[in-house]
Amino acid sequence: EPEVTQTPSHQVTQMGQEVILRCVPISNHLYFYWYRQILGQKVEFLVSFYNNEISEKSEIFDDQFSVERPDGSNFTLKIRSTKLEDSAMYFCASRSLAGGTDTQYFGPGTRLTVL
Amino acid sequence: AQRVTQPEKLLSVFKGAPVELKCNYSYSGSPELFWYVQYSRQRLQLLLRHISRESIKGFTADLNKGETSFHLKKPFAQEEDSAMYYCALLTGTASKLTFGTGTRLQVTL
Repeated sequence: EPEVTQTPSHQVTQMGQEVILRCVPISNHLYFYWYRQILGQKVEFLVSFYNNEISEKSEIFDDQFSVERPDGSNFTLKIRSTKLEDSAMYFCASRSLAGGTDTQYFGPGTRLTVL
Repeated sequence: AQRVTQPEKLLSVFKGAPVELKCNYSYSGSPELFWYVQYSRQRLQLLLRHISRESIKGFTADLNKGETSFHLKKPFAQEEDSAMYYCALLTGTASKLTFGTGTRLQVTL
């Protein structure tokens, strides 16, 4: 069964550095998402992406964040200048519009640690 | 704004006992609700969605619009049911998910 994959599984970075988190959604899916989960807190929506543009973003998704689909398979989340409070688990998800299903399939997550 | 509440952080039950994980929501539109499960060291997986009205792994959930609830139930808990359970509400044109804080289900012998 196809799965969403994410790399790396764990990223450690210094405050102020740029990081890029990578995701490979399921191949025939059309909607892509990033969520994050700070330790001990709930999973929060960051951004959704469809047809090569952002379709919705949360208040968390400020100018420090950007997303891109640089080719036909990858979907990336960039944090320009990381802060301590960006430390969290970041989940990518994708969904297909086929058959009207709204099921989102999640990747295993990338744990980002900002020192 | 939409909101999902899961009042219990931890629910501990004995094997064979009934399970009910509570979920309440707040949303002005027509709700579409999901239960996701996360087993130890694994990804979030869809358990069930209210629209399909199916039973997965013995779990069921009924949407009660009057009480704005979508509680997850299972008549007899199994050890392998131990996991984190998240209730989620789908909203917006982009179909984003709003999650509750999750309930850890611990099934003991």
